[in-house]
Amino acid sequence: DTGVSQDPRHKITKRGQNVTFRCDPISEHNRLYWYRQTLGQGPEFLTYFQNEAQLEKSRLLSDRFSAERPKGSFSTLEIQRTEQGDSAMYLCASSYRATNEKLFFGSGTQLSVL
Amino acid sequence: GESVGLHLPTLSVQEGDNSIINCAYSNSASDYFIWYKQESGKGPQFIIDIRSNMDKRQGQRVTVLLNKTVKHLSLQIAATQPGDSAVYFCAEFNTDKLIFGTGTRLQVFP
Repeated sequence: DTGVSQDPRHKITKRGQNVTFRCDPISEHNRLYWYRQTLGQGPEFLTYFQNEAQLEKSRLLSDRFSAERPKGSFSTLEIQRTEQGDSAMYLCASSYRATNEKLFFGSGTQLSVL
Repeated sequence: GESVGLHLPTLSVQEGDNSIINCAYSNSASDYFIWYKQESGKGPQFIIDIRSNMDKRQGQRVTVLLNKTVKHLSLQIAATQPGDSAVYFCAEFNTDKLIFGTGTRLQVFP
């Protein structure tokens, strides 16, 4: 399968714990995006990378959130000291070129914070 | 600020009929738009895109229309099938990222 892969698919954690999600983009895609989606809403932009450089972070991304893409391939999104309000679907997407190109999404990681 | 919105939260159509899903956008400088389909528990799936130098684009059973004068997009699905049941989002490419609206749920009944 050559699509965007996300792991895990589901994560249940207790409030205050740290969680980390992984995204493997389509190979040769140099842009990688993270979005968050809550029930009944459209995906909200969190951050994106051009190769290994993180070029933009949304105001939604508090200090508890950090994303990396160390070698310009896979990316990780870490949430520290999780809160119940962090419960959402976290989506990763990638695109081939710099801008104005279609994004291909993974199946997401569903996070539940108890 | 910029926003992408949809006129109807839910659309119910009979199998075999054509469906039309509408979307309004507010940023007149946007020049690239995408329609996505999202099924329950899955990520958004690309359907069709259109650039601002076009007013119509056709795919397999789908057509996207763009009216830049009134900043309006529509997605037309021909001969709607039960497998088309999903939430549909239009998204606007703005400053290197896609901005999504809240979506329209399409329900197909026999």
